[in-house]
Amino acid sequence: AQSVTQPDIHITVSEGASLELRCNYSYGATPYLFWYVQSPGQGLQLLLKYFSGDTLVQGIKGFEAEFKRSQSSFNLRKPSVHWSDAAEYFCAVGPPGGSYIPTFGRGTSLIVHP
Amino acid sequence: NAGVTQTPKFQVLKTGQSMTLQCAQDMNHNSMYWYRQDPGMGLRLIYYSASEGTTDKGEVPNGYNVSRLNKREFSLRLESAAPSQTSVYFCASSGGPVHEQYFGPGTRLTVT
Repeated sequence: AQSVTQPDIHITVSEGASLELRCNYSYGATPYLFWYVQSPGQGLQLLLKYFSGDTLVQGIKGFEAEFKRSQSSFNLRKPSVHWSDAAEYFCAVGPPGGSYIPTFGRGTSLIVHP
Repeated sequence: NAGVTQTPKFQVLKTGQSMTLQCAQDMNHNSMYWYRQDPGMGLRLIYYSASEGTTDKGEVPNGYNVSRLNKREFSLRLESAAPSQTSVYFCASSGGPVHEQYFGPGTRLTVT
């Protein structure tokens, strides 16, 4: 069965600092990979997705993620964090071929200090 | 283009009462989902509908029923609410080639 691990429950960064949120998955083949963001009191919003091609994908709000097949990882990065980035971030995987039931990680809560 | 809408936004029920959560999407997506989100538990899938006319159980279906009314609408019903159903409920839809999901704003339900 596929699984997703986000090893950091909370991460605290200072505004302007760089950010990397970790995501590791377990699956026999390369899955479809997603990052979602959830601001307080809101639903989840798709930040970016990977399904093939260039392993570095760009998303909205200045985020990017890099797929590393050898490490089964899909880490999310941002070079300079803004206070408005404080939110919960979820990594998700879906089996290739377009299965419609993704598996979500437990989420990482990002705290931004001024 | 409103995306995914949910009603109501907030609801308080007494144990044993029933209610229906409504969800609609205007993106012409085939698949729709109901999740619940609880602290420390992440997102858990309650039911999903791969296409109009089909519904299937997810990870935590007990105590819930669903109806895929048409391609746009997917409702979740609690027949006899229990305190354990206090949660935030999210509806989502997907329809792209990689089935990325689009979420509604959520319904915050408290059962006393």
